[in-house]
Amino acid sequence: DIQMTQSPSSLSASVGDRVTITCRASQIISRYLNWYQQRQGEAPKLLIYGVSGLQIGVPSRFSGSGSGTDFTLTINNLQPEDFATYYCQQGSTTPRTFGQGTKVEI
Amino acid sequence: QLHLQESGSGLVRPSETLSLTCAVSGGSINTRGYSWSWIRQPPGKDLEWIGYISPDGVTSYNPSLGSRVTISLDRSKNHFSLTLKSVTAADTAFYYCARELGGYNWFDPWGQGTLVTVSS
Repeated sequence: DIQMTQSPSSLSASVGDRVTITCRASQIISRYLNWYQQRQGEAPKLLIYGVSGLQIGVPSRFSGSGSGTDFTLTINNLQPEDFATYYCQQGSTTPRTFGQGTKVEI
Repeated sequence: QLHLQESGSGLVRPSETLSLTCAVSGGSINTRGYSWSWIRQPPGKDLEWIGYISPDGVTSYNPSLGSRVTISLDRSKNHFSLTLKSVTAADTAFYYCARELGGYNWFDPWGQGTLVTVSS
C-alpha cells in the first residue's frame, strides 16, 4: 500500500493567516493527489483534485502544488469557516489511501 | 446535482453482518467513467477506503478487510450496497458512500455518512 504522511498533524492559526500543509507519498504517485476538507460532524468535501485542480465552488484562496511524492495545500487569507481537518488522498493505485489528517485550529 | 444517501442498521452485534445501502439520486449508477465507493472512519480517527464497484460490476476491495467485504449494484433501484461479514468492535465507524471519478480518482460527492456501532 502507498502510505500518505501529512505534516503537521495540527496547527494553530488566526483569521487572515496563510497556512501550508504538506503530504508525502511513500512512492511516486505522479499527479494522483487529491485534498479534502472535513468540518466537525460532516462528511469530507473535495477541495482539490489532480494536485492543483480547484473543485467547482471552492474559494480561490485554496491552492495545491507538488509532484512525484511531495505535495502542498495552501490556504491564503484563512477564514473562520476554514477551521477544519484536511486530508490528502492518493488515487494512483488501490487500495486508495488517505493521510492521517491535519487539524487547523484557531 | 448528484446526491448520495446511506441507510442501514446503526447497531450490529459482534460476529454478525453489517449491511448498508447508498441511494443515488440526480444521476445514474450506470454512467461510465465513475465508480461507486465505500469509505469508513472510526470516530476521531482516519479515513479508510473499503472498496468500489464500477458500472459494469468490476470490484476492488481493500486487502485489509480480506474476504469479509462485498459491494454490489442494484441498477433497478439506482443504488449500491455494502456487506461486511463477521464484524467486531474494530468495525465501529462512520460509513460513507462516495462517487469516484476517473482520471485522478478523487471522491465527489460524498454521502452524509452513517454511524454503525458493533456491540452486543
